[in-house]
Amino acid sequence: GQSLEQPSEVTAVEGAIVQINCTYQTSGFYGLSWYQQHDGGAPTFLSYNALDGLEETGRFSSFLSRSDSYGYLLLQELQMKDSASYFCAVRGGTGFQKLVFGTGTRLLVSP
Amino acid sequence: DAGVIQSPRHEVTEMGQEVTLRCKPISGHDYLFWYRQTMMRGLELLIYFNNNVPIDDSGMPEDRFSAKMPNASFSTLKIQPSEPRDSAVYFCASSSLAGGFNEQFFGPGTRLTVL
Repeated sequence: GQSLEQPSEVTAVEGAIVQINCTYQTSGFYGLSWYQQHDGGAPTFLSYNALDGLEETGRFSSFLSRSDSYGYLLLQELQMKDSASYFCAVRGGTGFQKLVFGTGTRLLVSP
Repeated sequence: DAGVIQSPRHEVTEMGQEVTLRCKPISGHDYLFWYRQTMMRGLELLIYFNNNVPIDDSGMPEDRFSAKMPNASFSTLKIQPSEPRDSAVYFCASSSLAGGFNEQFFGPGTRLTVL
């Protein structure tokens, strides 16, 4: 099977940098994705890592270490609108197209 | 493109009633996924289709749940009979082989309440 662990909640202030970690266990691995979900909204795609290293997209970056079964999402220059839940999701196991989501990290950004 | 469309957005029903949720994927996408989200179980995949064919329904909780995709632009998830524990937000998502599956596009969800 597959399982993912991420912190349940993280707090930070505007303008700060925050890192959300994700560790996973899977029998086969294709890649790690990150999704953002605001309260009452739908998950929206942020990033995807298939290979080791850092992927940067604007204020957001995502890192993957396949040997450590570990990844993180880095959010810089935090804004109030970044308050949301962030999910890591692993593509692996028996289905290349399947995503298994972590339980989510709730990020609270304060002024 | 309008994105993934789901209807209804909210559904309140009584235990024992049949519930049908609908989804229109993004045009040209060949994969369609149904998810359920609850506080207790998080976001879990129920079933997914490729080119209208069900590929993996291992996440469907029990026989009360069924899903169909009669054509490339429409899918339904049916619960019959519904139970209070089915209360959740149900999301439909689609993705494209051409897009490399890196991104799944989620619809706005249907919030189901079973009384």
